[in-house]
Amino acid sequence: AQTVTQSQPEMSVQEAETVTLSCTYDTSESDYYLFWYKQPPSRQMILVIRQEAYKQQNATENRFSVNFQKAAKSFSLKISDSQLGDAAMYFCAYKERFGNEKLTFGTGTRLTIIP
Amino acid sequence: NAGVTQTPKFQVLKTGQSMTLQCAQDMNHEYMSWYRQDPGMGLRLIHYSVGAGITDQGEVPNGYNVSRSTTEDFPLRLLSAAPSQTSVYFCASSYPPGQGKLYGYTFGSGTRLTVV
Repeated sequence: AQTVTQSQPEMSVQEAETVTLSCTYDTSESDYYLFWYKQPPSRQMILVIRQEAYKQQNATENRFSVNFQKAAKSFSLKISDSQLGDAAMYFCAYKERFGNEKLTFGTGTRLTIIP
Repeated sequence: NAGVTQTPKFQVLKTGQSMTLQCAQDMNHEYMSWYRQDPGMGLRLIHYSVGAGITDQGEVPNGYNVSRSTTEDFPLRLLSAAPSQTSVYFCASSYPPGQGKLYGYTFGSGTRLTVV
């Protein structure tokens, strides 16, 4: 069974600085998707960034970028120029490209932004 | 506003009561899912649907029923509520992968359910 591990329960960063959140996963599949979701205090789950495993290029979305290391099964999220609105729980998630529609989530990293 | 709408946002039930959590999306997504979120455990899949009339079980389906009569709606039914079903419930929807549209689930704002 696939598992997703987020080893940092909490992180903090100064406003305007850069922070990296870690995620590792375990799978025997070669084709899959990886996602980062943000959950602010409002509870809404917001899709931040997606990565398709067959694409070598790391995904970027404005200040958010990933470091996807397929061989190491690592998928870290880098947030540049951190803003107060970035404070939230961040969840890493994995989904096989084919098969059932199960997203496997990690347990989350709580990110605090220090003004 | 386009998106996934869940009702109610909060609910308290007594043990043994039944209820339906409503979910509707207006993005014409074929795929819809229900997850529950418990402290320290991330989100776990309850049931999902890949189209009207098609549903399947996820990781934690016991005690829950679903049906999908339309593309837009995917209600979750609790048959006889138990304290173990106290959780936050999320509905999500997506286009299928590989159809030239970005694949990734859009989530609703959740329903906080307490069973006493």
